[in-house]
Amino acid sequence: EAQVTQNPRYLITVTGKKLTVTCSQNMNHEYMSWYRQDPGLGLRQIYYSMNVEVTDKGDVPEGYKVSRKEKRNFPLILESPSPNQTSLYFCASSFRPSNQPQHFGDGTRLSIL
Amino acid sequence: AQSVTQLGSHVSVSEGALVLLRCNYSSSVPPYLFWYVQYPNQGLQLLLKYTTGATLVKGINGFEAEFKKSETSFHLTKPSAHMSDAAEYFCAATDPGGGADGLTFGKGTHLIIQP
Repeated sequence: EAQVTQNPRYLITVTGKKLTVTCSQNMNHEYMSWYRQDPGLGLRQIYYSMNVEVTDKGDVPEGYKVSRKEKRNFPLILESPSPNQTSLYFCASSFRPSNQPQHFGDGTRLSIL
Repeated sequence: AQSVTQLGSHVSVSEGALVLLRCNYSSSVPPYLFWYVQYPNQGLQLLLKYTTGATLVKGINGFEAEFKKSETSFHLTKPSAHMSDAAEYFCAATDPGGGADGLTFGKGTHLIIQP
């Protein structure tokens, strides 16, 4: 089954404790992206990757890092999480960034205390 | 830079009534347009998309949308609402030139179905 898998689905942690949210896709997609969803703001792009070893900032990259060492994986790293990063996060992938619909994971709800 | 505006953060309709969710875009060239649906505790699922060709696009679950360049709109409709349609709906746009920016989303419309 074609899917984008995020882990964990839920996480409560404390300020400053490094965390990683994993994202893996099994569709051989080149393009992967991270979004955060906040009430009243819709989804905003954090980082994206056009292919292995190619990443770039989206609209709200501050406080986040990503890496793309393998085509299927695109982890999101919060080196020193802060409460304003409490949000619902989605990973997405597609064959090409623009005219192909993106496939989304089920989301990761992060709470930073 | 493009933007997407969804009019109405909440829309309430009666079961069996027409559903109309509004989406307007702003960009220098007509973008590719998408509607996604998000059910509680789930990710986003593609309802339909417009890239080129026919301006009336049919999607899943009985939804359709019409691209109107003159009005810079891409409104989502369904003739008869069902209780299972209650969800969050997002309109999104992307650059047809193949840029890497990904999707620009509207802020979402929460559809409420009254019995």
